[in-house]
Amino acid sequence: EAGVAQSPRYKIIEKRQSVAFWCNPISGHATLYWYQQILGQGPKLLIQFQNNGVVDDSQLPKDRFSAERLKGVDSTLKIQPAKLEDSAVYLCASSRYTDTQYFGPGTRLTVL
Amino acid sequence: GENVEQHPSTLSVQEGDSAVIKCTYSDSASNYFPWYKQELGKRPQLIIDIRSNVGEKKDQRIAVTLNKTAKHFSLHITETQPEDSAVYFCAASNRGGADGLTFGKGTHLIIQP
Repeated sequence: EAGVAQSPRYKIIEKRQSVAFWCNPISGHATLYWYQQILGQGPKLLIQFQNNGVVDDSQLPKDRFSAERLKGVDSTLKIQPAKLEDSAVYLCASSRYTDTQYFGPGTRLTVL
Repeated sequence: GENVEQHPSTLSVQEGDSAVIKCTYSDSASNYFPWYKQELGKRPQLIIDIRSNVGEKKDQRIAVTLNKTAKHFSLHITETQPEDSAVYFCAASNRGGADGLTFGKGTHLIIQP
């Protein structure tokens, strides 16, 4: 069974630029999560999708972050414009409804 | 919202000894408690989890205990080996894990040869 795929793996941008991350969950997993992991901290949930609907986006900074999950499979997370404090690893995870969350390898974002 | 506290932040043990990492949570509605291991530059990987209808769960050298009254759960690793060196995160969720996870800040476990 293929794992959660993410791209790109690394991204370096200047502040105020835009960036987008892509995630492909494990086949058959209806639930998809995006987490932000700042260096030295645990992952923090940004948004949760159930199929293509948003379940929880209470911690998503909606003035600059947006996410979508078209057709209930792949998802993209966008930051526009980026700030220095957005430097982090962005992890995508997927699960069946109440089962284990499996994480992708993450995208390491550096904002200069 | 949920808040998860994790201690210690760093733990150094001799190879072969046991390691214990402790977490507390604030939301009494939380009922799913996984533990993840994250090696440097890699993705978090689930090592064990426990649900609130169980007080203890064991998988070979790893065990987790849960005290719902005290809102406290712990990870126990026995007979530690060099490959156990990593950062360990506890987490909590309600709705049996259907919700997103709230993570602790992590424990850097160092196994001394």
